Amino acid sequence: ETGVTQTPRHLVMGMTNKKSLKCEQHLGHNAMYWYKQSAKKPLELMFVYSLEERVENNSVPSRFSPECPNSSHLFLHLHTLQPEDSALYLCASSQDRVRLVHTTDTQYFGPGTRLTVL
Amino acid sequence: QKEVEQNSGPLSVPEGAIASLNCTYSDRGSQSFFWYRQYSGKSPELIMFIYSNGDKEDGRFTAQLNKASQYVSLLIRDSQPSDSATYLCAVNQINAGGTSYGKLTFGQGTILTVHP
Repeated sequence: ETGVTQTPRHLVMGMTNKKSLKCEQHLGHNAMYWYKQSAKKPLELMFVYSLEERVENNSVPSRFSPECPNSSHLFLHLHTLQPEDSALYLCASSQDRVRLVHTTDTQYFGPGTRLTVL
Repeated sequence: QKEVEQNSGPLSVPEGAIASLNCTYSDRGSQSFFWYRQYSGKSPELIMFIYSNGDKEDGRFTAQLNKASQYVSLLIRDSQPSDSATYLCAVNQINAGGTSYGKLTFGQGTILTVHP
């Protein structure tokens, strides 16, 4: 148990549905992340939030909409997804976002949401 | 060119042997390097991080970093069947201002199988 929880753990949705993924961290961290993990592909960073401010949007389609109401919670709102969006969506958190070179900033991952788009 | 490259494997070693996992990266400015382990159907969990050239040991795990060669490796001594998993190498990214935004680039992962 890393202190990062995600719900739901599994989600099946049609292309016209709207759903939301939820992430909560109990570590007192200031930064939160959404990643996508598809089969045979490296983990892809989607969004980064630091102190509720979005600081990174990695060219993600607008059908994915993140929300960070406070430093402990992160949502990913989904609408009109495509079958190729089926993947494992991972949330992570770290102590802080901006670090000078020569320091480390470990990210801790939640269990993920397995999303299937029909 | 991939920014972080790993041999996808699978790498198969007998129980008790040393497993050697390798990773190369393209950004010379990278300063922090992470090894995560991911069991099938589970999320990645951190094994080690390293940011100085040389070796860093933690139990049966040793991370090795060579910045000149842009190479980082993970050695697992006395491999156990429970070590069978995908091992992900991650490298932090440096922006133009020289700071790290906690943004990690991951390799594709190496599948390790330890057989009894």
